Parts: sequence; structure tokens; C-alpha cells
Amino acid sequence: GAGVSQSPSNKVTEKGKDVELRCDPISGHTALYWYRQRLGQGLEFLIYFQGNSAPDKSGLPSDRFSAERTGESVSTLTIQRTQQEDSAVYLCASSLGGTGIRSGYTFGSGTRLTVV
Amino acid sequence: EDQVTQSPEALRLQEGESSSLNCSYTVSGLRGLFWYRQDPGKGPEFLFTLYSAGEEKEKERLKATLTKKESFLHITAPKPEDSATYLCAVQAGNTGKLIFGQGTTLQVKP
Repeated sequence: GAGVSQSPSNKVTEKGKDVELRCDPISGHTALYWYRQRLGQGLEFLIYFQGNSAPDKSGLPSDRFSAERTGESVSTLTIQRTQQEDSAVYLCASSLGGTGIRSGYTFGSGTRLTVV
Repeated sequence: EDQVTQSPEALRLQEGESSSLNCSYTVSGLRGLFWYRQDPGKGPEFLFTLYSAGEEKEKERLKATLTKKESFLHITAPKPEDSATYLCAVQAGNTGKLIFGQGTTLQVKP
């Protein structure tokens, strides 16, 4: 597609439920990133994919968080047993390559997750 | 520890009143410094990449500069449509991972 697409755009879930967030990167972009943005704060790195493998998952905050990528395309971020502190905007970005990002990432519009 | 600090947190300008936003960084092995613009409810939009001290990039009313310790985003004669949050980030290491500052929220009043 023309841009990075994320779905859903908004998600309200009850504490303790599992949620799945989806990201469709720009076609041909081999690198894919997930970031989290809490209200009034900067972006926190979660995980980086190069193709279907994740060489850097150092930002995942706990084992409740996991992500996968298939077909060098779509990625899913799963949060199990959600907690209120998981409430944030989850942003996905893609780029042509992981080491050469001269033109920066292209971000999606994000999924706003609210845990009640 | 790699770190990015932006100042001020918020800036209010009158239309036409030029100013600068600051981004201070500490990183081992800078591979690039990035500026993004973020509008409410949207993802960040890429503006510039700077690689070495002394480098400058320009786009319309915006000019980004880089030293060994900080970067400035200069806004000349801003317009209300320049109102947004401006994010600075550094790339360290080989994975493309960016470390972001907290951002500066700019409001330009007509």
C-alpha cells in the first residue's frame, strides 16, 4: 500500500484480556518497528524486525508482550493479560533497510489502546 | 546510557516570530539524528536526517543543524500550520532502532 496501515485505530479492552494489534508495512520495506507512546511522553522502542526475524526485541517490557511477522509483510503485536499501564498509542513503522534509514521511517497512525 | 533531551517542552509563538528548538543527545557512536513532526492523532512524519557535526538541512521554513552534542531546529517566520509536536531521535547501533526525546509542542498563533 501507499503507507503503513495499522488496525484497529482504537481499542478498548478490559483488564486481563488479550489484545492483538496489526501492522501492514509499505510493500517492499524489509524493516519493521513497533514503538509505544504513552500520553505526554516520547516514543519507546519495543521491537525491530528484519524480514521475518527479530534481531532486537530489547524493548518489550515484559513476557506479556510478543510480536511476530510473516511473509516479510504483516506484523502482529500481542499483549496478554492487559494491565492499565499498557494503555498507550502503539505505533508501527517501516523502512527499506534496518541499517540504512537515511530517509527515516514511515510511521502508521497508530492504535490507541485503552485498558479499563 | 544513550539519551535525548528536548527543550523547551512547549513553545508558543506569534505568526512570523522566529525561534529555535533544542535537542541535546548523548550516544555512543551516532549513526544519525532525526527530526520528525507529529500532528495530534497521527504518527510522526519524517523531516530531516543529519549525520555529522556542521551539517545543515532545510525544508521550507525549517532548518536543522547539528553539533557534536546537540541539534537545533530553527523555524523562520512560522505560520499557524507549523503548529505540531516536533520530535528528535538518534540512531545508535546497527538495528535502525531510534531513541526519541520527549518532544517540543509548538503552537503558532495568527
